[in-house]
Amino acid sequence: DTGVSQDPRHKITKRGQNVTFRCDPISEHNRLYWYRQTLGQGPEFLTYFQNEAQLEKSRLLSDRFSAERPKGSFSTLEIQRTEQGDSAMYLCASSLAGHGTQYFGPGTRLLVL
Amino acid sequence: DQQVKQNSPSLSVQEGRISILNCDYTNSMFDYFLWYKKYPAEGPTFLISISSIKDKNEDGRFTVFLNKSAKHLSLHIVPSQPGDSAVYFCAASPSNTGKLIFGQGTTLQVKP
Repeated sequence: DTGVSQDPRHKITKRGQNVTFRCDPISEHNRLYWYRQTLGQGPEFLTYFQNEAQLEKSRLLSDRFSAERPKGSFSTLEIQRTEQGDSAMYLCASSLAGHGTQYFGPGTRLLVL
Repeated sequence: DQQVKQNSPSLSVQEGRISILNCDYTNSMFDYFLWYKKYPAEGPTFLISISSIKDKNEDGRFTVFLNKSAKHLSLHIVPSQPGDSAVYFCAASPSNTGKLIFGQGTTLQVKP
């Protein structure tokens, strides 16, 4: 399967802990996106990379959130000092630059207790 | 502000009939529109897209219509099948950016 993969699929953590999620995009895609989805809402854009450059960050991405794509392949999203409001599905997507269709991974469901 | 709106939270249709899902947007800078289907505990699956230079795109049972003057798009599924039961999201992309702006979703139930 050469689709977008995310790890872990589920994460339960206690408030105040740090968590890190990984995303592996479709291999030939140079753009990688992070979204967050809460119950009853559509996905909300967080940030995206073209190759290793982070080109845009949403104001939703507070100082506790950081994303990296060091070699232009996989990406990590870290949340520091988690809060209960961070509980959500974190989705990763990838695409080719200049092509609007984004392909999503299965998501990582985070629960902060 | 909600730039992409799906005003119907749910829709129920009989198997074999047409399903019509609607989406409205406010930003005239949007130039690419997509529909995704989502099952619980899975990521969205791409269905069909349309560029703002077109008013219709068809792929098998799925057709998307775009009315730029009304800032409205719709997804038609004909004939509807029970396996189509899922949450459907419309999304729009502003020109020269990478991000997608999603609507709130419409839950489609196709009854056998």
